[in-house]
This record gives sequence, C-alpha cells and structure tokens, in this order.
Amino acid sequence: AQKVTQAQTEISVVEKEDVTLDCVYETRDTTYYLFWYKQPPSGELVFLIRRNSFDEQNEISGRYSWNFQKSTSSFNFTITASQVVDSAVYFCALSEAYNQGGKLIFGQGTELSVKP
Amino acid sequence: DGGITQSPKYLFRKEGQNVTLSCEQNLNHDAMYWYRQDPGQGLRLIYYSQIVNDFQKGDIAEGYSVSREKKESFPLTVTSAQKNPTAFYLCASAREGNTEAFFGQGTRLTVV
Repeated sequence: AQKVTQAQTEISVVEKEDVTLDCVYETRDTTYYLFWYKQPPSGELVFLIRRNSFDEQNEISGRYSWNFQKSTSSFNFTITASQVVDSAVYFCALSEAYNQGGKLIFGQGTELSVKP
Repeated sequence: DGGITQSPKYLFRKEGQNVTLSCEQNLNHDAMYWYRQDPGQGLRLIYYSQIVNDFQKGDIAEGYSVSREKKESFPLTVTSAQKNPTAFYLCASAREGNTEAFFGQGTRLTVV
C-alpha cells in the first residue's frame, strides 16, 4: 500500500542553521511523483517541487535543496541558512495516479519553527 | 489574478445541519479536489473530479457530497451524516498530467 512518512513532527532551529526534513515513501508503482508543499500560517499549501520516479537528480533552488534516493525510498528536503520566514508546516506527498497530479497521499507534516 | 477561491474562511454549523463549502477556480484546470486536514495530520482526500459532471470518491467520502456542474466550481456539502465534521477543508485544482496542484486558502468548519 502507498504511504508517506514524515517522522519529524516538529523541528525548532535558530536562524541561519541548516535543517533537513525527512520523507520516506512506500509504493508498488514504478512510475510515481513526489512533491513538497509548504503551509504557512495563512493555511494554503504552496508548491515547492515535483520529482518523478525516473529522475533521481538532486535539485537546488536558492536556499532549498532536495535529495531523492530511490534505493532508500526517501525524498529529503534541506533548507540552508534558515530564516524566520521559513517557519511553516512542510508536507511531503506522493502521486501514483496517472494524469492526476492533485490526487495526493500526504505525510503527516513537519512543523518547522525558525527562531531569530 | 488567477487562483482558487474558497469561501467562507470560517464557518460554524449546528449539529444536524448540512453546510456547503464553496470552491471556485479561474485557472482553467480540468481537475479539482477536496481535502480534509485535522490538527497534526496530513491532508486526506474526500472527493475529486477530472471533468464536468463526473466525480469520484476519495479515501474519506462518507458524510460528504459534491457536484461539478461547471468547470470553475466544485462545491462540497458536509452532511449531517458526517460524524466529526470539525476540520480545515482545502480545495485544489490541477492541469492535465501529473503537474502540481494549486490550493485555496481553506475553510475552517466548526460544529457547535
């Protein structure tokens, strides 16, 4: 059965520290998509990244980077030099359904608190 | 601006009453989705629709109903059969393909 696990419920860091949010997934499909979303206090989910199962290249976008490893079924997210504005709940999600990027299986979320 | 609009932002309902949550998008997306979020938990799929006049149940559809009469609109009705309706409800839409979903700002429903 498909499942996404974010074992870290809450993380607290001081500004400028690096922080890694873990995500482990389970799926029997060979074709799937992984996502990270950010949920600020306002409530809406903001898309951060999408990765398909055939693309294991790591990605960097500014202070954000993602490490996708199929061998360990993990898709971890690192924020370098964290800032107070990074405080939010972060969700990792899995999509197995063909042609349905919005049909997602979410992890429980990791609440990140960045203190000044 | 293109986006997804959910209304109202806060909603209070008496036990035994049905209530309808609105979701409108102007992104010209074919697919729309409803998710429920409980404190400290991830989102769970209630219903989704890939095309007008068609929709499918998600993982937790019991006690909910939807309609999709227009491409832009996907209202969710929380019926009196839903035993624990107090939650945060998020609507989303997506283009064809496995592209990312766009989310609204949510409706917080409280049963009083």
